[in-house]
Amino acid sequence: AQSVSQHNHHVILSEAASLELGCNYSYGGTVNLFWYVQYPGQHLQLLLKYFSGDPLVKGIKGFEAEFIKSKFSFNLRKPSVQWSDTAEYFCAVRAYSGAGSYQLTFGKGTKLSVIP
Amino acid sequence: DAGVIQSPRHEVTEMGQEVTLRCKPISGHNSLFWYRQTMMRGLELLIYFNNNVPIDDSGMPEDRFSAKMPNASFSTLKIQPSEPRDSAVYFCASSLARDSNQPQHFGDGTRLSIL
Repeated sequence: AQSVSQHNHHVILSEAASLELGCNYSYGGTVNLFWYVQYPGQHLQLLLKYFSGDPLVKGIKGFEAEFIKSKFSFNLRKPSVQWSDTAEYFCAVRAYSGAGSYQLTFGKGTKLSVIP
Repeated sequence: DAGVIQSPRHEVTEMGQEVTLRCKPISGHNSLFWYRQTMMRGLELLIYFNNNVPIDDSGMPEDRFSAKMPNASFSTLKIQPSEPRDSAVYFCASSLARDSNQPQHFGDGTRLSIL
């Protein structure tokens, strides 16, 4: 079964610091990769996604992620964080799970706190 | 364009009671997903439907949990009887198709507390 690991449970940064959140998955086949963000008290929103093509994906609000197939990783980055980026970030992997179905598996999330 | 609508937003009830969570997917979406979010286990897929038909319910924790989708615009997740360990945030999501390159859109979630 596929699994998704997010290395950091809670990250605390000062404004303008650079951000990198790790995500690794275990699945040997073709995958679609996603990062979702959950702002305090709000629902999950799609930040960016990778399906194929350029492994460097640019999303909303200045976020980007790089798919490194050899490392089974899809790390999320932002060069300069803002206080409004305080949220919980979820990495997700969608892969074929057999019998014609696909399964979306989430990591446990990384809570980001940005200090003004 | 209305997103995925879940109700209630919060529910607090005593153990042993029946709990029903409701979801209205985005109009035109034909796949619907129920997730549970807890601190210990993160986000877990419970069940998903395609064209109102349950496709994979392997994530449903036990027989106390059941889900239905009587039509394309409505789904319920029922817990009977409820237990304190069922306390979590339950999310419903929908997408245009189960296996195409379409992301899932999430509702605001139902925060369930079982006393």
